[in-house]
Amino acid sequence: AQSVSQHNHHVILSEAASLELGCNYSYGGTVNLFWYVQYPGQHLQLLLKYFSGDPLVKGIKGFEAEFIKSKFSFNLRKPSVQWSDTAEYFCAVNRMNTGFQKLVFGTGTRLLVSP
Amino acid sequence: NAGVTQTPKFQVLKTGQSMTLQCAQDMNHNSMYWYRQDPGMGLRLIYYSASEGTTDKGEVPNGYNVSRLNKREFSLRLESAAPSQTSVYFCASSVAGTRYEQYFGPGTRLTVT
Repeated sequence: AQSVSQHNHHVILSEAASLELGCNYSYGGTVNLFWYVQYPGQHLQLLLKYFSGDPLVKGIKGFEAEFIKSKFSFNLRKPSVQWSDTAEYFCAVNRMNTGFQKLVFGTGTRLLVSP
Repeated sequence: NAGVTQTPKFQVLKTGQSMTLQCAQDMNHNSMYWYRQDPGMGLRLIYYSASEGTTDKGEVPNGYNVSRLNKREFSLRLESAAPSQTSVYFCASSVAGTRYEQYFGPGTRLTVT
């Protein structure tokens, strides 16, 4: 079965600390990869996406993610977090050979940034 | 341009009652989706509609039905609500194909007592 793992369920950081959230998926073949963010009380918004090309992708609000095919990973990073980054972060994977977008989401990581 | 809209925002049902969650998008997207979000489980796909006139089961379809009314609207029906269906429900839409992101609505928080 398709599986997406986010190993950090809760992360607490101080402002200006660096962030790295892990995401691993369990199947081979070509994939599309996404990170979504859900701010408190809001709906999911796309942070960044990877389809092909440069494995280091940059998204909104200073976030970036690196696709490492050999490790089946797509980790999210930010050099210096802000209080406003407090949110829940979801990794999602879509297999290209489905011909249709059926995203499989990880269980999410709750990030709390203290001022 | 409202994006994806959902009604209602909140709902409380008694066990056995029925209700329909409404979803509409104004982005001319072909594909639409219904997810449920539960603590510690992320989002799970209930049903999806690849294009107008088609619907298919997702990961957790039991206890739900859907209708793709037209290109804009995709409704989710609970025929006989159960406490296990207490959740936050999100509708999403996307351009057809695999290389496009999904856009999400604001969600419906449903409690079944």
